[in-house]
Amino acid sequence: QQQVKQSPQSLIVQKGGISIINCAYENTAFDYFPWYQQFPGKGPALLIAIRPDVSEKKEGRFTISFNKSAKQFSLHIMDSQPGDSATYFCAARMDSSYKLIFGSGTRLLVRP
Amino acid sequence: NAGVTQTPKFQVLKTGQSMTLQCAQDMNHNSMYWYRQDPGMGLRLIYYSASEGTTDKGEVPNGYNVSRLNKREFSLRLESAAPSQTSVYFCATGRSSAYEQYFGPGTRLTVT
Repeated sequence: QQQVKQSPQSLIVQKGGISIINCAYENTAFDYFPWYQQFPGKGPALLIAIRPDVSEKKEGRFTISFNKSAKQFSLHIMDSQPGDSATYFCAARMDSSYKLIFGSGTRLLVRP
Repeated sequence: NAGVTQTPKFQVLKTGQSMTLQCAQDMNHNSMYWYRQDPGMGLRLIYYSASEGTTDKGEVPNGYNVSRLNKREFSLRLESAAPSQTSVYFCATGRSSAYEQYFGPGTRLTVT
């Protein structure tokens, strides 16, 4: 099964709050899990990524938590800002392949 | 240094018409990709080219053809457009096996 399931579809958070987006997968052959951020009218851009041998990776206000046994990973945005308002996609790469499988996306709105 | 460029930015076609979407990169990357983005569906891979001279099908190749013209350019052709091909099309590039992909600004295509 090559799907990556992402939730929620949309999320509204107050400025300063924590935004949490979740993804789940079935295929244990996935070996790399990136998150992409997309602003309206733009192409997606890599935000942060993690490998399955690491349980957590933090870059500034963005943290990926990875639970290998549950086959789930999540993006946490701490101290969310209006400038974080965008669509976020999780993705997974099949072991050493050229292809990424993307989740369906989460539209985040951070209210001032 | 333009990164990944796509032309045109917008296009309206009638059912049955053909067109070619162009993608060019100046990042000296080997791999190039074509995705389509539809609401609630995330990004779905149409075709990819791991290196100059090779192309392979992705998740949703039906109705499309591609040409890797040289290392810089990767075009996507719709031979007989259908309303189901109304979408936003993104080209992406990467150094090697999908570790990080860099996206162009997209082409918004409407088929009436």
